[in-house]
Amino acid sequence: DVKVTQSSRYLVKRTGEKVFLECVQDMDHENMFWYRQDPGLGLRLIYFSYDVKMKEKGDIPEGYSVSREKKERFSLILESASTNQTSMYLCASTPDSWQATNSPLHFGNGTRLTVT
Amino acid sequence: AQSVAQPEDQVNVAEGNPLTVKCTYSVSGNPYLFWYVQYPNRGLQFLLKYITGDNLVKGSYGFEAEFNKSQTSFHLKKPSALVSDSALYFCAVRDRRYSSASKIIFGSGTRLSIRP
Repeated sequence: DVKVTQSSRYLVKRTGEKVFLECVQDMDHENMFWYRQDPGLGLRLIYFSYDVKMKEKGDIPEGYSVSREKKERFSLILESASTNQTSMYLCASTPDSWQATNSPLHFGNGTRLTVT
Repeated sequence: AQSVAQPEDQVNVAEGNPLTVKCTYSVSGNPYLFWYVQYPNRGLQFLLKYITGDNLVKGSYGFEAEFNKSQTSFHLKKPSALVSDSALYFCAVRDRRYSSASKIIFGSGTRLSIRP
């Protein structure tokens, strides 16, 4: 069974702090994602990575950056946290092959970030 | 552009009654369609998907969904609701013309509440 692990369940940070959210998957998946979940807005893609050191902006990348130095680990970075970044952050992964274009996403349990 | 609509923010059903959670989509090509469930303080879990073939798809926990191409809908159904089905449900669509796994769009979510 695929396991996607997010290092923190809850985080409280101050405005202006640099924040790191970590995600690790154990199934050798090529694709990894960071989503933001807000009530009434569903899930919005922040960044996507399809290989080590490769990334693609999602729908709402402003104020965020990512790092993927190893295949199993995908980090989301808030360069200078702001109160409007208070949200639930979800990491996900899928395999990537022509057979896998219909593969479902495997999600971590989420990190609830509060910026004060 | 792709889009997914879940027209009901909340659905309330009595235990033992049938339930339906609605989803309509808009894509230019043929879609892959997914349903996910989210329990409190957890990530999303995959329930079922439509790829091709039979319009009625069966998934986990007794759920099924019906693909209707003419109405561009993919409603989630269960013949007899359980209290434990209470959760947040998300519909997602992916246009199969796109090879990038990042082209997955989520609906805004529907909260299902089953009363004993």
